[in-house]
Amino acid sequence: KAGVTQTPRYLIKTRGQQVTLSCSPISGHRSVSWYQQTPGQGLQFLFEYFSETQRNKGNFPGRFSGRQFSNSRSEMNVSTLELGDSALYLCASSLAATQNTGELFFGEGSRLTVL
Amino acid sequence: AQSVTQLDSQVPVFEEAPVELRCNYSSSVSVYLFWYVQYPNQGLQLLLKYLSGSTLVKGINGFEAEFNKSQTSFHLRKPSVHISDTAEYFCAVRPLGSARQLTFGSGTQLTVLP
Repeated sequence: KAGVTQTPRYLIKTRGQQVTLSCSPISGHRSVSWYQQTPGQGLQFLFEYFSETQRNKGNFPGRFSGRQFSNSRSEMNVSTLELGDSALYLCASSLAATQNTGELFFGEGSRLTVL
Repeated sequence: AQSVTQLDSQVPVFEEAPVELRCNYSSSVSVYLFWYVQYPNQGLQLLLKYLSGSTLVKGINGFEAEFNKSQTSFHLRKPSVHISDTAEYFCAVRPLGSARQLTFGSGTQLTVLP
């Protein structure tokens, strides 16, 4: 069974640009969450999508957005990039809400560097 | 709201020695508890979880953790570590319910020395 796939794995952008990251969840998983990992702030929750709807959102500015498609794949977008957006962005998938095991399966992440 | 405190940022230990990584949490509601491991340049892998039932939870790679509700702790232990256990370990909590939002601790870097 394939795991969570994130693309691209590494990317470099400059300040002011925008970036789109992609996440393909494990087959059958309908919930996709995104986390930002930085040395200073650690792991912080960005948002969660379930059945194409944002179910929960963390404390990030509106420059951070996401969406989920009907096949459960998800994308997140960061506009007007700032140096502080340099981070590892992790995607995690889990089973539908009715199977409440709580386990998240993480991808290997997309490492974004903003110059 | 929830918060997680991992009391040690770095834990060096010799190979084959026992280790305990400490985790305390705070929450106004009941939570599920998790330990994840992260190897360099990789994502997070679940070691073990506490959902309900027995407070002693066994996970992969010989790790176990004990949930202590009165002390709001969920410490991770291994009786004998290997070089391959060198990694960063994260404690996390999630409130009961359908939302999947995890609150993570700041992590503990475990370094196993030969």
